[in-house]
Amino acid sequence: DTEVTQTPKHLVMGMTNKKSLKCEQHMGHRAMYWYKQKAKKPPELMFVYSYEKLSINESVPSRFSPECPNSSLLNLHLHALQPEDSALYLCASSQDRELEAFFGQGTRLTVV
Amino acid sequence: AQSVTQLDSQVPVFEEAPVELRCNYSSSVSVYLFWYVQYPNQGLQLLLKYLSGSTLVKGINGFEAEFNKSQTSFHLRKPSVHISDTAEYFCAVSVVLDSNYQLIWGAGTKLIIKP
Repeated sequence: DTEVTQTPKHLVMGMTNKKSLKCEQHMGHRAMYWYKQKAKKPPELMFVYSYEKLSINESVPSRFSPECPNSSLLNLHLHALQPEDSALYLCASSQDRELEAFFGQGTRLTVV
Repeated sequence: AQSVTQLDSQVPVFEEAPVELRCNYSSSVSVYLFWYVQYPNQGLQLLLKYLSGSTLVKGINGFEAEFNKSQTSFHLRKPSVHISDTAEYFCAVSVVLDSNYQLIWGAGTKLIIKP
């Protein structure tokens, strides 16, 4: 299994809603990532988990809250988002931090 | 600061013609280099990578890239493109920053295949 699975594929939420994005991998990778990608731009790193511990938080607003329940799962909890947070949210994993990352198909998030 | 430059934001090319997508990086230390492809409304897929060894790297879908340390370049090539190669291509470099590996991304190049 060489896949990173993200759910849901699409999400529309209001500014007062609470929702969660989910990511799963069964490749035994020890590093997992959340990226945000705006249209026609490269992905921007949000969070990195290494061995289930948060190792990098790229100054992301607190309305985004990551969680790594175990080595295969990564969640991103969303609360009180703004319309400018609308983007493609990508999850990725890698065996080690310096090696190639495998990406999921992303969640297309629209905040209304 | 580390950076990755993809000089061309768009590259139009006729079907079955060769293509080169350029990538230059700034780094004085050893790096790992990657090319990713993103098809419309999809995630990113690894095309190829350079970690060490031979400077000519072959990837999926007939793509290859050459690592040139003296010119700090990692250009992507394909001898004959197909309409299905229409996508956004990102070059990325893995470098050590503050004792952590970080992936630095280029701005992307949109490959447009003309029939």
